[in-house]
Amino acid sequence: DQQVKQNSPSLSVQEGRISILNCDYTNSMFDYFLWYKKYPAEGPTFLISISSIKDKNEDGRFTVFLNKSAKHLSLHIVPSQPGDSAVYFCAAQIQGAQKLVFGQGTRLTINP
Amino acid sequence: EPEVTQTPSHQVTQMGQEVILRCVPISNHLYFYWYRQILGQKVEFLVSFYNNEISEKSEIFDDQFSVERPDGSNFTLKIRSTKLEDSAMYFCASSINRQPQHFGDGTRLSIL
Repeated sequence: DQQVKQNSPSLSVQEGRISILNCDYTNSMFDYFLWYKKYPAEGPTFLISISSIKDKNEDGRFTVFLNKSAKHLSLHIVPSQPGDSAVYFCAAQIQGAQKLVFGQGTRLTINP
Repeated sequence: EPEVTQTPSHQVTQMGQEVILRCVPISNHLYFYWYRQILGQKVEFLVSFYNNEISEKSEIFDDQFSVERPDGSNFTLKIRSTKLEDSAMYFCASSINRQPQHFGDGTRLSIL
């Protein structure tokens, strides 16, 4: 199932700089997108979401951008903090459906 | 902050045995879900449950699996006759509406 892809397995960013995590999808029926953060031995924690009727949603240090024509979304974290070090998953949902389709995850490491 | 709780955190079971994984969703949530993550793979949807019935299920969720909400607080996943390939992290999630879904910390199921 390759409907949601995160092509970068890992990303390393200096503390205070911007972290940009990317996600691509293939199914044009997806109408809702979410980002989750996961620490070891914990479940995914919801971070931020965006509906397909928008192209940007912002919550504090986190901003999600959606480019529907490119079937691409990205998560920007600025400024990056050491506590942001975790695995980040993007997930997508088809209109009317309940299941989330997850990407493989990107491990973000914030270096002091 | 209310959270989804899962028990046990780790379950070891002999192949062929039945196992029940337990979850207490967030109290005012109406939608309940099970996902699993096999080591090194994506988080995969298993089933969603709403209004006391299964509302959506994946092809993974075959006759060996069942879900139940036996009372007003618990939500369980039963695997009738476990196989080696059932070894995975199992995550329970809940939501008020379709999204966002809030996840528990998971149960690690090890089949010997």
